[in-house]
Amino acid sequence: NAGVTQTPKFQVLKTGQSMTLQCAQDMNHEYMSWYRQDPGMGLRLIHYSVGAGITDQGEVPNGYNVSRSTTEDFPLRLLSAAPSQTSVYFCASSPGTTYYNEQFFGPGTRLTVL
Amino acid sequence: KNQVEQSPQSLIILEGKNCTLQCNYTVSPFSNLRWYKQDTGRGPVSLTIMTFSENTKSNGRYTATLDADTKQSSLHITASQLSDSASYICVVRKNRDDKIIFGKGTRLHILP
Repeated sequence: NAGVTQTPKFQVLKTGQSMTLQCAQDMNHEYMSWYRQDPGMGLRLIHYSVGAGITDQGEVPNGYNVSRSTTEDFPLRLLSAAPSQTSVYFCASSPGTTYYNEQFFGPGTRLTVL
Repeated sequence: KNQVEQSPQSLIILEGKNCTLQCNYTVSPFSNLRWYKQDTGRGPVSLTIMTFSENTKSNGRYTATLDADTKQSSLHITASQLSDSASYICVVRKNRDDKIIFGKGTRLHILP
């Protein structure tokens, strides 16, 4: 199993550009989520999904869109990139949301917005 | 307010020495607490999970403790190795709504 994969690993955008960060998992996990990690701050939840066709907002959803058409894929779209979105983005998946479920994280995408 | 505070922010120790990382939380109602290890340039990986009734749990050279009364947890690393250089993140899950609150992490550097 590849686990959770993310592409690209690095990306540089200009302000106003749009792009999609890809996330896929091959563990048949129902729960998937996107986080951003900034220096001096804990991981913050952007959007999450409890199954195909179901998505919901997290703590910092503004400027991002998600969709979940399949169990495996959970792409994150930046609509119009801003310098404040410079961050490292992590996708995670989990078998479910019960208290003992561990989250498995991808390797991250480092995004710079100029 | 539901918060998770970790100390110290960073720590430097010599290879072979022991160290203890601290996590204090105000999350309520409490469900469980996980310690994650995050290597540079990688995603976090779970080391251990502590539930309300557990006081201590070991995973190799890592030992986590939990005092649910004082809302404190610690992660003790024994006989540190160079590969232990990483950030260690304390994560607390709330009961009922399953919200997860991340600490900012402790950056550990092991020197040869």
